[in-house]
Amino acid sequence: NAGVTQTPKFRILKIGQSMTLQCAQDMNHNYMYWYRQDPGMGLKLIYYSVGAGITDKGEVPNGYNVSRSTTEDFPLRLELAAPSQTSVYFCASSYPSSAAYNEQFFGPGTRLTVL
Amino acid sequence: AQRVTQPEKLLSVFKGAPVELKCNYSYSGSPELFWYVQYSRQRLQLLLRHISRESIKGFTADLNKGETSFHLKKPFAQEEDSAMYYCALSCATGANSKLTFGKGITLSVRP
Repeated sequence: NAGVTQTPKFRILKIGQSMTLQCAQDMNHNYMYWYRQDPGMGLKLIYYSVGAGITDKGEVPNGYNVSRSTTEDFPLRLELAAPSQTSVYFCASSYPSSAAYNEQFFGPGTRLTVL
Repeated sequence: AQRVTQPEKLLSVFKGAPVELKCNYSYSGSPELFWYVQYSRQRLQLLLRHISRESIKGFTADLNKGETSFHLKKPFAQEEDSAMYYCALSCATGANSKLTFGKGITLSVRP
C-alpha cells in the first residue's frame, strides 16, 4: 500500500493564481483531512470529510475549497492564492473508530509558497 | 472550545538524559489524547495514545485529569529520538474524530 499520497511536493504560486493540491489514499479510509502547518503554529485543520460526498469546514477554511467524489481522493483547491497561504499542507486519513483509538495517517506534505 | 498547549518550542538534552515533553489541554468533556512524532524527512505518525497505556520506543505518557496534562516522558534519551513532537486532543462524540494539535516541540538529543 502506498498509504496517503500527495502531489505536488513543492509549488510556487503567484498572488491570485489558483491550484489544486491532490491527495489520495489506498487504505479505504472513510475519513480524510487537510491541515496546514505553519512554523511554530502546529497543525490547523482546514477541511475534513467523513465520506464521499460529505465535507465540512475545519478551523481555518477561508480561501480553500474541497470536494470528495470518491473514497480515495480528497483534493484541496486554492482559488485566489495569497501570501498568507504560504505553508506546508498535509493530508491525512483515518478509519472510523472510537475517538480513543483513532489514528490518522499522514501524507508527506506539499510545500506551497505564494509570492 | 478545546485547546492543546505545549509551552516549550525546543528541548535540547544529552544522550542518556531524561526527557519530559509537556502537554496541557483544555476540554470540558472526556478527552482522548495522543502524541504524534515527525522525524526528519519522514511523515507525521502516531507515537502513542493514552487509552493504550503503552510504552513505545521507551516513551510513556500518563493522563492526569486533575492537572489536565499528558506529558511525554523517557528516562534515557537516544539520538534517534530527535524529532518534532505534537500533542493532540480528540474530543469527538461519535465517530467523527477530529484532532486538535498543539504547536509542537522540537527535541534535540546531542551525543
